Amino acid sequence: EVQLLESGGGLVQPGGSLRLSCAASGLTFNRAAMSWVRQAPGKGLEWVSNIDGTGRSAYYADSVKGRFTISRDNSKNTLYLQLNSLRVEDTAVYYCAKGPHTYISGYDPFDYWGQGTLVTVSS
Amino acid sequence: QSVLTQPPSVSGAPGQRVTISCTGNSSNIGAGYDVQWYQLLPGTAPKLLIYGNNNRPSGVPDRFSGSKSGTSASLAITGLQVEDEADYYCQSYDTSPSWMFGGGTKLTVL
Repeated sequence: EVQLLESGGGLVQPGGSLRLSCAASGLTFNRAAMSWVRQAPGKGLEWVSNIDGTGRSAYYADSVKGRFTISRDNSKNTLYLQLNSLRVEDTAVYYCAKGPHTYISGYDPFDYWGQGTLVTVSS
Repeated sequence: QSVLTQPPSVSGAPGQRVTISCTGNSSNIGAGYDVQWYQLLPGTAPKLLIYGNNNRPSGVPDRFSGSKSGTSASLAITGLQVEDEADYYCQSYDTSPSWMFGGGTKLTVL
């Protein structure tokens, strides 16, 4: 059974930093492209970033480009998201999700999701 | 405002059929990219319901079905059950690159 467990969320001041982690089990981690998707309070889902199974290719939403960095450690079956220069509008539940292939494709679904970790940016 | 447009809410009685629409444009759904549908229940991980426009992952009841035509897609739920009450999101891809979600639809089972 595929399991994705996010951690690292919390309260941080505007301008601060945070690193989120997503521990994966029940899958061949290096053969799965991975993504971060967030949901702000009372709002819909927003794709944030994704990375291919090798870690060599990544994409970012315009809203986080230059501030967030996605990475992965395939030896630890763990996905990361480094959040820098945080803004109030980054407040959200952050979900990690996997894709069905090693490569990133616009045709692929997010087929398994974690339960999310809450990031609150407030002074 | 989401690029993919969904109705904010739909409702139906147990046993009835409801549909949720998802309208895009020529740079996403109309460009031939697949549409996915997800179910969000409070406090649980989002769940993939439909992928590739009309395919159900293993374990998803056949009461759920998807379709796509032109720049739009739809999710249909037949034999509505109380446990279907949730938020539903469509998702596709838009040239940027960007993975897009609809604004979400809250399903109420009366």
